[in-house]
Amino acid sequence: AQSVTQPDIHITVSEGASLELRCNYSYGATPYLFWYVQSPGQGLQLLLKYFSGDTLVQGIKGFEAEFKRSQSSFNLRKPSVHWSDAAEYFCAVGAGTGGFKTIFGAGTRLFVKA
Amino acid sequence: DAGVTQSPTHLIKTRGQQVTLRCSPISGHKSVSWYQQVLGQGPQFIFQYYEKEERGRGNFPDRFSARQFPNYSSELNVNALLLGDSALYLCASSLRQGFYEQYFGPGTRLTVT
Repeated sequence: AQSVTQPDIHITVSEGASLELRCNYSYGATPYLFWYVQSPGQGLQLLLKYFSGDTLVQGIKGFEAEFKRSQSSFNLRKPSVHWSDAAEYFCAVGAGTGGFKTIFGAGTRLFVKA
Repeated sequence: DAGVTQSPTHLIKTRGQQVTLRCSPISGHKSVSWYQQVLGQGPQFIFQYYEKEERGRGNFPDRFSARQFPNYSSELNVNALLLGDSALYLCASSLRQGFYEQYFGPGTRLTVT
């Protein structure tokens, strides 16, 4: 069955420091992969997506993610975190078996300290 | 342009009752998906509709049903409400069926007492 694992429930980084959020997926075919951000009181916003091609994808707000098929991973990175990046981050996989389903991970809460 | 809109914003229901949630997609978007987000968890996929037909279904009981109208708006119905149905219900729209970029609405907060 398709699944997404985000191993870190929460992460704290200092403002200006680099960030990496981990995501591992389980899916037999080539996956469609997404990262979303959810800020308090706001809806989910798509940061970036991977469908095919270049395994390093650029997104909004300075985020990027790298698809590694051998590791079944799609980690999200940012070189310098801003206080406004504090939010919940969700990794998701699009699974086309038996219809279209988007499976989300449990999320990683990012805290940014001054 | 208006984003995805959902109504109502908040809702309180009693166990055993039925509820209908509504979603209007972004203009021009023909696909609508529904998700349930329990506090502290990621969204769980419920349905995807495209051109008024169900194109995907998650692991939810038959108490959950949905439909899409000719104007591409959608309703999610939940019958025989349980306490465990308390959650944020999110609607997302996209241009076509499948895994194209989804735009999420603010959600409807359902509380079952």
